[in-house]
Amino acid sequence: NAGVTQTPKFQVLKTGQSMTLQCAQDMNHEYMSWYRQDPGMGLRLIHYSVGAGITDQGEVPNGYNVSRSTTEDFPLRLLSAAPSQTSVYFCASSYSARSSYNSPLHFGNGTRLTVT
Amino acid sequence: QKEVEQDPGPLSVPEGAIVSLNCTYSNSAFQYFMWYRQYSRKGPELLMYTYSSGNKEDGRFTAQVDKSSKYISLFIRDSQPSDSATYLCAMNNNAGNMLTFGGGTRLMVKP
Repeated sequence: NAGVTQTPKFQVLKTGQSMTLQCAQDMNHEYMSWYRQDPGMGLRLIHYSVGAGITDQGEVPNGYNVSRSTTEDFPLRLLSAAPSQTSVYFCASSYSARSSYNSPLHFGNGTRLTVT
Repeated sequence: QKEVEQDPGPLSVPEGAIVSLNCTYSNSAFQYFMWYRQYSRKGPELLMYTYSSGNKEDGRFTAQVDKSSKYISLFIRDSQPSDSATYLCAMNNNAGNMLTFGGGTRLMVKP
């Protein structure tokens, strides 16, 4: 099993460009989520999904879109990149959204995004 | 003020030392407390999970929760160079996976 796979590993964008960060999991997990990690700020939840066709906003959703057409994939779209979106983005999944003990979050290894 | 505060470090200790890592929080509704370990250039991985107040031990690791003080700790005994990582506390007020994270403490264990 590959677990949670994120692509690309690194990306540099110019202000105003758009792009999609890819996330795929092969564990048949129901719950998927996107976090951004900034120095000293911890991980902040952007969007999450409790199943195919269902998405919802987290703490910092502005400037990002998501969709969940399959169980396996949960892409994150930056509509018009801004320097404030420079960050490390992590995708995480779990078997269930309802228990962090029995089904802990499995994280990918991140996408490092720089917006100039 | 952030809901969860954590000293960013770095904390540098010699091999074999006992390490104490701490978080304070402001939301009294938090009931579930976790510690994640994150190696450089990797995603976090769950290390310890506790519910409400009390201690939990797993090998060299002990997690402690004091809800009256809104303070949680992670102790590492006989620290090893392989423990060098960033440690993130996380918590929530229900059993689900929408977590509030601290900023992380970077630990360096020197041989």
